[in-house]
Amino acid sequence: IAGITQAPTSQILAAGRRMTLRCTQDMRHNAMYWYRQDLGLGLRLIHYSNTAGTTGKGEVPDGYSVSRANTDDFPLTLASAVPSQTSVYFCASSEQFDKSYEQYFGPGTRLTVT
Amino acid sequence: GQNIDQPTEMTATEGAIVQINCTYQTSGFNGLFWYQQHAGEAPTFLSYNVLDGLEEKGRFSSFLSRSKGYSYLLLKELQMKDSASYLCAVSPSLRFSGGYNKLIFGAGTRLAVHP
Repeated sequence: IAGITQAPTSQILAAGRRMTLRCTQDMRHNAMYWYRQDLGLGLRLIHYSNTAGTTGKGEVPDGYSVSRANTDDFPLTLASAVPSQTSVYFCASSEQFDKSYEQYFGPGTRLTVT
Repeated sequence: GQNIDQPTEMTATEGAIVQINCTYQTSGFNGLFWYQQHAGEAPTFLSYNVLDGLEEKGRFSSFLSRSKGYSYLLLKELQMKDSASYLCAVSPSLRFSGGYNKLIFGAGTRLAVHP
């Protein structure tokens, strides 16, 4: 089934632990994105990648890192989790970065940092 | 700064018409998107406007006025399944965003459709 998958679906994590959220798409889209969604704040861009091998910072990048080794995968790492990183995380992709294309979203990862 | 405003909540009756407004102030403009998000699910694309005017797609229509920094999403013949959050998002200018697809999202409008 074409689309975006994310893992895990949900996770409870102790503060200070390291965590990687996985994202894989099979649509051969060049651009990928990580958002967090918090009540009352809407979706906020954490990091993005315009194409394999490149990444960039979004609106709220602090405490997060990403890599884009190939077209399909775009993992998000929390090096040392803090409670303020409790959120729902969505991965998304779009065909290209140089035009306004619709973004396709994964099902999300609900992360709780205690 | 970048700012997108939309009402927090709206209610409507099944079969009716509802209009969800969105106003934006961004450093530039390369298009406006509307997404639908059911509770606990991922956002899904509804519409895209880059030129002034109305775009119609079935029961949903979206309008844009660039000079006023204003858009609305019109939902006709409301159904219970239309109960969801509706997210307005703007693509700012390339110069400031580093890419057309670095979207700025509003907080969303939660629509409840009642029988």
